[in-house]
Amino acid sequence: DAGVTQSPTHLIKTRGQQVTLRCSPKSGHDTVSWYQQALGQGPQFIFQYYEEEERQRGNFPDRFSGHQFPNYSSELNVNALLLGDSALYLCASSFTGTGHQTQYFGPGTRLLVL
Amino acid sequence: SQQGEEDPQALSIQEGENATMNCSYKTSINNLQWYRQNSGRGLVHLILIRSNEREKHSGRLRVTLDTSKKSSSLLITASRAADTASYFCATTGGYQKVTFGIGTKLQVIP
Repeated sequence: DAGVTQSPTHLIKTRGQQVTLRCSPKSGHDTVSWYQQALGQGPQFIFQYYEEEERQRGNFPDRFSGHQFPNYSSELNVNALLLGDSALYLCASSFTGTGHQTQYFGPGTRLLVL
Repeated sequence: SQQGEEDPQALSIQEGENATMNCSYKTSINNLQWYRQNSGRGLVHLILIRSNEREKHSGRLRVTLDTSKKSSSLLITASRAADTASYFCATTGGYQKVTFGIGTKLQVIP
């Protein structure tokens, strides 16, 4: 059983560019959450998708947007990249029906903005 | 914003010793979870404790929760070099929003 997968593993962009990160949830999971983790910090919640809709959102600007597809996979898009967007981006999946909210994390995508 | 604060932020112990990490949070929660992260990679879920539970065990892990003090502790007994990692507490409030603390960096010296 494949766990949560993310692509790409590493990415280098320049300021002003746009980036798309991808996530495939663990089999049987229907909810995907995205987090940004700056160096030396804990993950910060960006948003969560369930039934192809954004259900919760953290304190991130509209430059951060996402999408969930019918197969539950998800994309995170960041427009007009800033140097401060350099971070590890983590995707986590869970199953809404359990009520336990245990999230399973992917290995992350490390984004460097130059 | 970070909900929890782990204490200490860094901990160095000898192999075989016990490691205790604490977490404090600010708002009411549905549950609290502990995660481990190796070298800035993905997080591994360790244990979940519900708001109506006071203590939970899983192998060498023991977690306590005191909702009146809004705090939790993670005890790792008989530590091993492989336990070297960063440990995060994460609280879940309404609607599955998970909020992480800043983490405790644990080093276990062989």
